[in-house]
Amino acid sequence: SQTIHQWPATLVQPVGSPLSLECTVEGTSNPNLYWYRQAAGRGLQLLFYSVGIGQISSEVPQNLSASRPQDRQFILSSKKLLLSDSGFYLCAWSLLAGVGETQYFGPGTRLLVL
Amino acid sequence: KQEVTQIPAALSVPEGENLVLNCSFTDSAIYNLQWFRQDPGKGLTSLLLIQSSQREQTSGRLNASLDKSSGRSTLYIAASQPGDSATYLCAVRRTSGTYKYIFGTGTRLKVLA
Repeated sequence: SQTIHQWPATLVQPVGSPLSLECTVEGTSNPNLYWYRQAAGRGLQLLFYSVGIGQISSEVPQNLSASRPQDRQFILSSKKLLLSDSGFYLCAWSLLAGVGETQYFGPGTRLLVL
Repeated sequence: KQEVTQIPAALSVPEGENLVLNCSFTDSAIYNLQWFRQDPGKGLTSLLLIQSSQREQTSGRLNASLDKSSGRSTLYIAASQPGDSATYLCAVRRTSGTYKYIFGTGTRLKVLA
C-alpha cells in the first residue's frame, strides 16, 4: 500500500532563517506531487506541483521554492523565512489514472515563524 | 477564475441526524470534484471523488452529488455520529490538462453525543 511521509511534524524558526521541508511517498511510481499551505481561517492554497523529476510548476509567486530530486521525494525550501510563511504545510500525491486522480495527503508540517 | 464556497462555515447537530453539507463553484467546466475530511492538526483524508460525467458517488453513510450546470455539490451524511466531527472540504479540479485543485474553506462539523 502507498504511504506518504512528511517531516518535521512541527517547526519553529526565526524570521530570515532558511527552511527545508521534506515529503516522500512509498508504494507507487511516478506520482504527481503537490505542496499546499493552509493558513489559519483560510482554505488550502496550492504552492507547487510536479509531474516528474525536475519538473516543478509554481502557482503563487513568493519566497518559497520546490525541488524534486527523486521520483518520490518533494522538497519545499526557502532561503529567508517571512512571518507570513507561518502555516500548516501539506504534501499530497496523485496518479493520473486508475484511482480517478484522488489526492492523498501527508500528515502535514506546522511551521511557526517568529 | 474558479472560486469554491462552502456554507455554512460551522455546523453543530445532535447525534443521529442526517445532514447535508454544501459546496458551490463558479465555473462549471470542471474535471472532477473531491470531498475530504480533515481532523484537527491532521492532513486531509479523501472521502469521495466524482468525475464530471457522474451525478453521485456513495461510500457507506456518505453520498456526494454533483450538479455541474448549477455549480453545486452536496455531501450527505446519514445517521451522524460523534466520530464524524471534523472539517469537511470540497475541491474542484479544472478541466483536463491541469493538475490544480481549488479548495473551499470547509465546513466545521460537530456532532453532539
